[in-house]
Amino acid sequence: GAVVSQHPSWVICKSGTSVKIECRSLDFQATTMFWYRQFPKQSLMLMATSNEGSKATYEQGVEKDKFLINHASLTLSTLTVTSAHPEDSSFYICSARERESGELFFGEGSRLTVL
Amino acid sequence: GQNIDQPTEMTATEGAIVQINCTYQTSGFNGLFWYQQHAGEAPTFLSYNVLDGLEEKGRFSSFLSRSKGYSYLLLKELQMKDSASYLCAVLDSNYQLIWGAGTKLIIKP
Repeated sequence: GAVVSQHPSWVICKSGTSVKIECRSLDFQATTMFWYRQFPKQSLMLMATSNEGSKATYEQGVEKDKFLINHASLTLSTLTVTSAHPEDSSFYICSARERESGELFFGEGSRLTVL
Repeated sequence: GQNIDQPTEMTATEGAIVQINCTYQTSGFNGLFWYQQHAGEAPTFLSYNVLDGLEEKGRFSSFLSRSKGYSYLLLKELQMKDSASYLCAVLDSNYQLIWGAGTKLIIKP
């Protein structure tokens, strides 16, 4: 099946720094990519939807200046957590919808720990 | 509003069969997904139903009834590694995924 690669898998950073997480569709073109956040023992929470070449659509309550999303190509979307704080520590997961089939594939997730 | 309901937790015995139900009320319907998620990992795709009926894939089967807004995931010959959360998600008319809260499945020896 199609593969979505997410990098880095683990990241530890100091409070106040910015962290970038990449999401790549390796063998297919993704018209839409989704970014989720998941707290322990809780379900996925959709943060934003990004379409290639246009601005991301953020869910209510998600700060767009805090979580910068760029979807520059049909195979790459990035999430930048700016001025990270300990409360931003979480599991961030991306998914990509395949252009032709419409099927959705998930990345492996990125665990962010802000000290 | 849009709503996906599935049980919070279920327990089953190794080797047995378990059915996880999912009911939904969404603005439009473009398919229903089932994902498996082990703790600390990203979800993995299990099934996608867009037409009524049963889709079988090895030990896992998924059923859909669009008129009833209902789906179930059937797991046969349960193994300990099947202990995980099972997420039901519906693609609405805007092709946005609406997620259920997930069902935690506990398998006992």
